[in-house]
Amino acid sequence: SPLTQPASVSGSPGQSITISCTGTSSDVGGYDYVSWYQQHPGKVPKLMIFGVTNRPSGVSSRFSGSKSGNTASLTISGLQAEDEADYYCCSYGSSTTPHYVFGTGTKVIVL
Amino acid sequence: EVQLVESGGGLVQPGGSLRLSCVAPGSPFNTYKLHWVRQPPGKGLEWVAYISPASDHILYADSVEGRFTISRDNAKNSLYLQMDSLSAEDTAVYYCAREGTSDICYFDYWGQGALVTVSS
Repeated sequence: SPLTQPASVSGSPGQSITISCTGTSSDVGGYDYVSWYQQHPGKVPKLMIFGVTNRPSGVSSRFSGSKSGNTASLTISGLQAEDEADYYCCSYGSSTTPHYVFGTGTKVIVL
Repeated sequence: EVQLVESGGGLVQPGGSLRLSCVAPGSPFNTYKLHWVRQPPGKGLEWVAYISPASDHILYADSVEGRFTISRDNAKNSLYLQMDSLSAEDTAVYYCAREGTSDICYFDYWGQGALVTVSS
C-alpha cells in the first residue's frame, strides 16, 4: 500500500509548512531510506530530499526532512509561490518482498 | 548530464501487450540502477519495477508481478518494460528513472515519460 500523505497543505508566503508521510515499521520506520519529490504540473518529479534529511546539490535550504517512528516529514520554510506543486515521499520496504513505495501525494497551495 | 528517452507508448486494447523502451545515449549505462515508475492521469506516482546494472537483481510491484517484465541490454544502452495482460488500471505515463548511488529511493534522473492508454 502507498504511504499516507495529506491530500493538501496550504500556507501563506513566508510561512512554514510540514507534510507528513506515514508508513509502517517495514518501510518508513525500518529504514533511513526516505526521499521527497516535487512535481509541477506537466513536469517530471524532482528530487528534493534523500536519506531522510539530506538535500541534493542545488536544492534550497528552505527544504528539510526528518523522521520519527513510522512517519517522515518534509518542511518548507519561507514558503514561496514557486513551491506550489505536488510532493511525494518515497521509501524502501521489505514486508513480503523488497520493494519501493511512494506516498499518496500532497498538493501544496500557496495562498 | 544523464539523458533518458522513453518510447513505445500508445493505445492498446484490454488484454493486449506493449513494450516500452528507454534509451540513455552516451552514458556509462552498464553502471545504472534503473526503475520504471508510472503515474495514472491526474493521480500519484507508483513504483513499478527495478533492475540492477547486471540484471542479477529484479524487483516488481505486486500490482504488476507476473504480467510485466523488466529487462535491459547494456550493449544498446537500453531498458525495457514488457507489459502483458494489460487492463484499464495500467493506463498511465510510464517513466524510466535512474537510481543514483548516493542512496536508496534516490531517483536523480527521469525520462519525459511515455503514455500508455488501455482502452477498447
